[in-house]
Amino acid sequence: GQQLNQSPQSMFIQEGEDVSMNCTSSSIFNTWLWYKQDPGEGPVLLIALYKAGELTSNGRLTAQFGITRKDSFLNISASIPSDVGIYFCAGQIYGQNFVFGPGTRLSVLP
Amino acid sequence: EAQVTQNPRYLITVTGKKLTVTCSQNMNHEYMSWYRQDPGLGLRQIYYSMNVEVTDKGDVPEGYKVSRKEKRNFPLILESPSPNQTSLYFCASTPWTGFGEQYFGPGTRLTVT
Repeated sequence: GQQLNQSPQSMFIQEGEDVSMNCTSSSIFNTWLWYKQDPGEGPVLLIALYKAGELTSNGRLTAQFGITRKDSFLNISASIPSDVGIYFCAGQIYGQNFVFGPGTRLSVLP
Repeated sequence: EAQVTQNPRYLITVTGKKLTVTCSQNMNHEYMSWYRQDPGLGLRQIYYSMNVEVTDKGDVPEGYKVSRKEKRNFPLILESPSPNQTSLYFCASTPWTGFGEQYFGPGTRLTVT
């Protein structure tokens, strides 16, 4: 099946730094979801986006639904050690199944 | 608490021994799905169900069966497990078919020897 592209694949940052990652597709989506997954655990939904241009925050996390509807961005401000994990995006067209990105692995150095 | 539950969380079995992984959601969601996650391959959909008694194949259905007799439950059945089915499995649910936020269960780590 189709997969989304995520970048970067991995990143190492210092505690306190801001983080940006993105997700792109060749297809238009109606919904973008962002998840965080800890090793061996289930993905936890962070933010859901339903409208092109939409900007939504959840604490230190902010995500945007790209204007072209082919991309989405996730920013984490003032990173902390518990932000460590894999972040991945999912896109959906109405009536169809979700398509997932391969994930961005985030490491936070103290 | 609204959640998706899976059991067991960990399972080690031998080739050919039938097994079932249960999945249940308490959110009255219409849509449920099973995924497997393997290193380098990401999440791949095995089967999904749009409502009771309605199931369909995902991207990697070979070697798996599902049933949806009740809205809340969506078990995954491996009739004759093989080592290539060793993986991390996730059940997920969405309020409405084709739209809405998808919530995942905690995962089942399956090892087939």
